[in-house]
This record gives sequence, structure tokens and C-alpha cells, in this order.
Amino acid sequence: AQRVTQPEKLLSVFKGAPVELKCNYSYSGSPELFWYVQYSRQRLQLLLRHISRESIKGFTADLNKGETSFHLKKPFAQEEDSAMYYCALKTDSWGKLQFGAGTQVVVTP
Amino acid sequence: EAGVTQFPSHSVIEKGQTVTLRCDPISGHDNLYWYRRVMGKEIKFLLHFVKESKQDESGMPNNRFLAERTGGTYSTLKVQPAELEDSGVYFCASSQDLYINYGYTFGSGTRLTVV
Repeated sequence: AQRVTQPEKLLSVFKGAPVELKCNYSYSGSPELFWYVQYSRQRLQLLLRHISRESIKGFTADLNKGETSFHLKKPFAQEEDSAMYYCALKTDSWGKLQFGAGTQVVVTP
Repeated sequence: EAGVTQFPSHSVIEKGQTVTLRCDPISGHDNLYWYRRVMGKEIKFLLHFVKESKQDESGMPNNRFLAERTGGTYSTLKVQPAELEDSGVYFCASSQDLYINYGYTFGSGTRLTVV
């Protein structure tokens, strides 16, 4: 069965501390994974794609097929990183996404 | 370029009434998707249009939901009659790239409350 698991509903970190959002997936094919972010009063927007191996706003995510994980990391959290983060798995060739339940990140000064 | 636009942003209706949500994708985006997030649960796929055709409507919960995409431009999602469990946020997204290698562009969502 296809599944995306984000075990943490809420992650509270201090400014300047490292932050890691966990995402595990279950998928029989070759996975394509994304991280989306929704800041307060803004729309859901793409943060990272695993195929591009890029770093956006200091965030990185590495696909680990052995552990079926795609954790999102940032070495030094900023207050503006406070948002809802969703891990998503593309489940067919037409672009259907399966989302995790989301992790609310709160960065306190 | 204009983004994905959804209307209305909020809607409060009584159980049994009809509501129609609208989504205007980015011009030129052939792929249009509807998702929804019911309170406390994850964002779930409803359906996918390629131009005016329904490519995949496997996520539509039941026949009270009807989606259309006129001429391959804007799309509507009608709920008739609405039930309490339909409350949630309905998202629309569009993509030019069929295989979404670059991800979707989402609209701001419509918050539907059925009372």
C-alpha cells in the first residue's frame, strides 16, 4: 500500500537550533518525493523536490531508499520557518500526490 | 503571471444545500487537480483533469460530488447535497508539466463549512 508517514504533528525548536522533519514512505515503485510548505495565511507551495537535490531556504532533503525516508533538515532554524510542512509522494505517472498528515513547526526566539 | 485562483475563499452552508467551488488554473496549464483536507486529516486527492477530460476521479468520495472543467479552462466542483462531513479545505492545483517534475502550483483553497 502507498503511504506517507510524518510521525510528528508538532515540532517546537529554538531559533538557531537544527530542525529535522521526518518523512517515511511506502511505495512499490521508484519514488518521487516532494516537500510542500504552508506559511500562515499563505497557499501551499513547493519547497523541495528530491530529483533536483537542491537546497531551498537552507533546507535539504535526501532520499534514502534503504530506509524509505525523505527527511527534511535545516541546520539553523529561523523564526520565519514556522509553518506547516507536508511530505508528498507522487503515486502515478499523471502526477497524483499522496500527502503525509503534516508537521507544524514552531520556531521560538 | 497570475496564480491559481479559487473562489470563494470561504463558504458556510447548511446541510442539504448545494455549493459550487471554482478554480481558475494558471493559463496554459493543462493539468488541474482537486484535493481536500478534512479537519484533522491529511490532504487527499479528489481528481485530475487533463484539459477538459477527467484523467482520474478515483478520489471523489461519492456521487454527491461533481467536477467539471469547461473548455479546459476553469473548473468547478459542486457538492449536492452537502453533508456535515464535507467540511474542510478544498485545494485546487495546476501544472504545466504532465509529470509534475516541478511540482504543482496551488490555489489558496476554499474553506467549506457545512452546518
